[in-house]
Amino acid sequence: RKEVEQDPGPFNVPEGATVAFNCTYSNSASQSFFWYRQDCRKEPKLLMSVYSSGNEDGRFTAQLNRASQYISLLIRDSKLSDSATYLCVVNDNAGNMLTFGGGTRLMVKP
Amino acid sequence: EAGVAQSPRYKIIEKRQSVAFWCNPISGHATLYWYQQILGQGPKLLIQFQNNGVVDDSQLPKDRFSAERLKGVDSTLKIQPAKLEDSAVYLCASSLGGGLEAFFGQGTRLTVV
Repeated sequence: RKEVEQDPGPFNVPEGATVAFNCTYSNSASQSFFWYRQDCRKEPKLLMSVYSSGNEDGRFTAQLNRASQYISLLIRDSKLSDSATYLCVVNDNAGNMLTFGGGTRLMVKP
Repeated sequence: EAGVAQSPRYKIIEKRQSVAFWCNPISGHATLYWYQQILGQGPKLLIQFQNNGVVDDSQLPKDRFSAERLKGVDSTLKIQPAKLEDSAVYLCASSLGGGLEAFFGQGTRLTVV
């Protein structure tokens, strides 16, 4: 079993749609969680951190479920510019090791 | 604030040749990571430094890959000899540590022919 698992997609959605991605992790001791965005042929960039209480940043909402060991990302009112690969990242904190999922590809169409 | 700097941006070499990549992290960041990203996959951690010490190198193919961070700042990653399957983007990232996020450089795209 991979340490961090994501559905690779692609998710093809029309503009304005709401789309959600899930990510599961295997290390129950993990403490920090992040969503990164990666555009084609670019480096990953931090989209948002994921807090225990959940957090929202504009059209983006991240949730953490420690009991089931998954995190989610919800994108509302999708824009063409949201098309990218979304990477789930888990930090074990103890060694500060960041483990990436394989990424979920989103394509927003007109 | 300057970001993570990497060089070169692109490199094409023949198999069995050697190659080296350089990374300069964000000033003050004690943690430095090297990741390998093969097309269509997520980044895979090769090695993690805390200052000039190695925290984790369990996924580094030590028969051909080596990395160092002698003064706890800049780092180099070397491959010797390269194989075709080493073709990938090599990403350097740095972090303040303590469970905080990491920031990435633009990467070095390596093609082994």
